Amino acid sequence: QQPVQSPQAVILREGEDAVINCSSSKALYSVHWYRQKHGEAPVFLMILLKGGEQKGHDKISASFNEKKQQSSLYLTASQLSYSGTYFCGTEAASYGKLTFGQGTILTVHP
Amino acid sequence: DAGVTQSPTHLIKTRGQQVTLRCSPKSGHDTVSWYQQALGQGPQFIFQYYEEEERQRGNFPDRFSGHQFPNYSSELNVNALLLGDSALYLCASSSSTSGRRGETQYFGPGTRLLVL
Repeated sequence: QQPVQSPQAVILREGEDAVINCSSSKALYSVHWYRQKHGEAPVFLMILLKGGEQKGHDKISASFNEKKQQSSLYLTASQLSYSGTYFCGTEAASYGKLTFGQGTILTVHP
Repeated sequence: DAGVTQSPTHLIKTRGQQVTLRCSPKSGHDTVSWYQQALGQGPQFIFQYYEEEERQRGNFPDRFSGHQFPNYSSELNVNALLLGDSALYLCASSSSTSGRRGETQYFGPGTRLLVL
């Protein structure tokens, strides 16, 4: 079953913060976050593993609540380059099979 | 260090035809996953190849098949194309050397397929 992302869209001014949430009904092993700009491939941002390990970029932070099977991506002091569609991909029992949410469209204005 | 590459970038086919898409993984990666992304949607998992075998498969019909070569590159074949097969097909590579889940998947630029 597909994870649910919220909000579906968010509009920011440069310098503002945003939080994107991802919720799954399945027990998860890992949560992967990607950003995709129009016409381009998804770009890896961060991975959060069961047990607390994280791998990703320094300027992006995220959390993973294993009890609730929820993850949140925190974007602080947003820049124009943050604009794009953010996807969470969840990995459950099946090794390496990512199930993606429907995406959150983030638009940053000057 | 070359990233994930895919070919062709764009393709136009007609219903009933067959298509082959190609993917070369990032250097050092041995696992290739294929995803289908319809317009405005998230990527959907088709299947994953490791050691030249299909290791995982999503909810796609048998018209979708694949292959992995000894050099870890991969092909996705779709037979009897339908209008609904029009989408961006993404290849992602990862490394399975650690033998555990939670490996980062890096995506290629994709092949945009249009079925008329």
